[in-house]
Amino acid sequence: GAGVSQTPSNKVTEKGKYVELRCDPISGHTALYWYRQSLGQGPEFLIYFQGTGAADDSGLPNDRFFAVRPEGSVSTLKIQRTERGDSAVYLCASSFGQNTGELFFGEGSRLTVL
Amino acid sequence: DQQVKQNSPSLSVQEGRISILNCDYTNSMFDYFLWYKKYPAEGPTFLISISSIKDKNEDGRFTVFLNKSAKHLSLHIVPSQPGDSAVYFCAASAGGSNYKLTFGKGTLLTVNP
Repeated sequence: GAGVSQTPSNKVTEKGKYVELRCDPISGHTALYWYRQSLGQGPEFLIYFQGTGAADDSGLPNDRFFAVRPEGSVSTLKIQRTERGDSAVYLCASSFGQNTGELFFGEGSRLTVL
Repeated sequence: DQQVKQNSPSLSVQEGRISILNCDYTNSMFDYFLWYKKYPAEGPTFLISISSIKDKNEDGRFTVFLNKSAKHLSLHIVPSQPGDSAVYFCAASAGGSNYKLTFGKGTLLTVNP
């Protein structure tokens, strides 16, 4: 399809394990974003990429979280030593670089840490 | 602390009537406001936005009103349709950083046929 694609759609892991979540943005979108939505909450900003570089990573909660976008397209969110509090839906979005706030979100990756 | 508050977790409206969804914010630096709609098992989709230099923006059946002095905005849907049933999120940003949105918790709108 032409939308933002996220894999896996569901991931169940054990506390302490390492997890990678992948995002394929809409073709031609230069900006890519990661948000996290915990149960009963709205999405919460994590990181913003413009091209290959992280323009703003101020939302990453701690150094266990890291994201890359090496070729300016696909991005991977990496979580080390997962904790139960990391359980959430991780949303990826992309946009043309106009900074209008009109983000195109994927369906999300639901992470459950047991 | 919640900088964007949607105090009504849910709202039920009859088809054809007006739906009014409310949102309050506390951060006076916010200068751009948006509404997103979310269906189950889908990502949020952009609906409408408003800059702080305006007090109203209209797009078809959807109108957003902004009251800066009260730090309040509302989304009006007229007429409401069953397909409008979804969770509506209010979001805000500051200083041109419109990629960094602060979202409310959302309001579940149910439009009954």
